[in-house]
Amino acid sequence: QSALTQPPSVSGSPGRSVTISCTGSSSDVGYYDRVSWYQQPPRTAPKLLIYEVSNRPSGVPDRFSASKSGNTASLTISGLQAEDEADYYCSAYSNINSVLFGGGTKLTVL
Amino acid sequence: EVQLVQSGAEVKKPGESLKISCKGNGYTFATQWIGWVRQMPGKGLEWIGSIYPGDSDTRYNPSLQGHITISADKSTNTAYLQSSSLKPSDTAIYFCARGNGGYDSLHYWGQGTLVSVST
Repeated sequence: QSALTQPPSVSGSPGRSVTISCTGSSSDVGYYDRVSWYQQPPRTAPKLLIYEVSNRPSGVPDRFSASKSGNTASLTISGLQAEDEADYYCSAYSNINSVLFGGGTKLTVL
Repeated sequence: EVQLVQSGAEVKKPGESLKISCKGNGYTFATQWIGWVRQMPGKGLEWIGSIYPGDSDTRYNPSLQGHITISADKSTNTAYLQSSSLKPSDTAIYFCARGNGGYDSLHYWGQGTLVSVST
């Protein structure tokens, strides 16, 4: 099974918005509404930002939003802040009772 | 407060075996999936597998199955990851994480256990 495809890096200025894409297949992202997004600052454990495509756990700011269209999921971060600088990973449930992660996207806040 | 507390760093030689632990606190351990995720140096996250402690139902990453064993002990609220015949390529940070009704989304994470395999 192949990992999900994310851009290696994105960047944006404070206050602006960025979107990170996550492309899978009809066996995972495209079939199940079980896409998650994680934020991982340097040298720390990942933190869940989004689950089931677009749901935010309590405590996650509404600046973080996500959606899915076909085989591609997207995470949008609005009102960029310096503290948002981190690696971002998508994951998805796949049809072989497995979980796939994307390769990760490094967000730089300019 | 939900907490996952992992065992300490390990230094191993190739061919040795490994068993690391993850203790769940602050919730009913048997009722939520526990997953293991590894991160090789400078690389991304990789799902290893997950276990439901209530009945030990276990799911594995097909590419790692046979090399790794996941288990759980309800009596001590602890999940384990075991690996035999370690290779230098097993060097990674290993995270445990808890689901919330399923095993595909990981809502709470342990602090990670660094495993180094080297001659």
